[in-house]
Amino acid sequence: EAQVTQNPRYLITVTGKKLTVTCSQNMNHEYMSWYRQDPGLGLRQIYYSMNVEVTDKGDVPEGYKVSRKEKRNFPLILESPSPNQTSLYFCASSPGQARNEQFFGPGTRLTVL
Amino acid sequence: QQPVQSPQAVILREGEDAVINCSSSKALYSVHWYRQKHGEAPVFLMILLKGGEQKGHDKISASFNEKKQQSSLYLTASQLSYSGTYFCGTEITGNQFYFGTGTSLTVIP
Repeated sequence: EAQVTQNPRYLITVTGKKLTVTCSQNMNHEYMSWYRQDPGLGLRQIYYSMNVEVTDKGDVPEGYKVSRKEKRNFPLILESPSPNQTSLYFCASSPGQARNEQFFGPGTRLTVL
Repeated sequence: QQPVQSPQAVILREGEDAVINCSSSKALYSVHWYRQKHGEAPVFLMILLKGGEQKGHDKISASFNEKKQQSSLYLTASQLSYSGTYFCGTEITGNQFYFGTGTSLTVIP
């Protein structure tokens, strides 16, 4: 089944404790992206990647890192999480470019205490 | 740079029509529409490209006015299953992507 998977689905952590949210897609898509969703603010892009080893900042990249060592995986890294990073995070992928349909993962709800 | 959507929320009775608007201050290459049910991931509805096209499937259609940098989503004869939050999304420069703040649509019997 074609899908985007994220792990974990739920995470409660404390300020400053490094964490990684994994994202994997099995559709051989070039484009992958991370979004955060907050009430009243919609979805905001954190980072995106056009292909392996090619990543770029989105609208709200501060406090986040990403890597794209393999085409299928695009992990999101929070080196020192803070409470303002409490949010719902979505990974998405699309064939080719951002202008194509994006397929979303199920989401990761992160709480930073 | 985030597109502005209006209205923020709308409540409809089954069978009524609705229009959701999306506008941008920047030139748009394309406009996407997604629907998100509570607790779920956004799901793609349609993409409109530069050229002022109009698209639709079933009773949901959309238009893209390139000159005004605006898009509208039309839902006709709404069904209970149409309830959710609708987002427009725009690719403004390169491959950076911006979603609007969303429109909550509730269809009641």
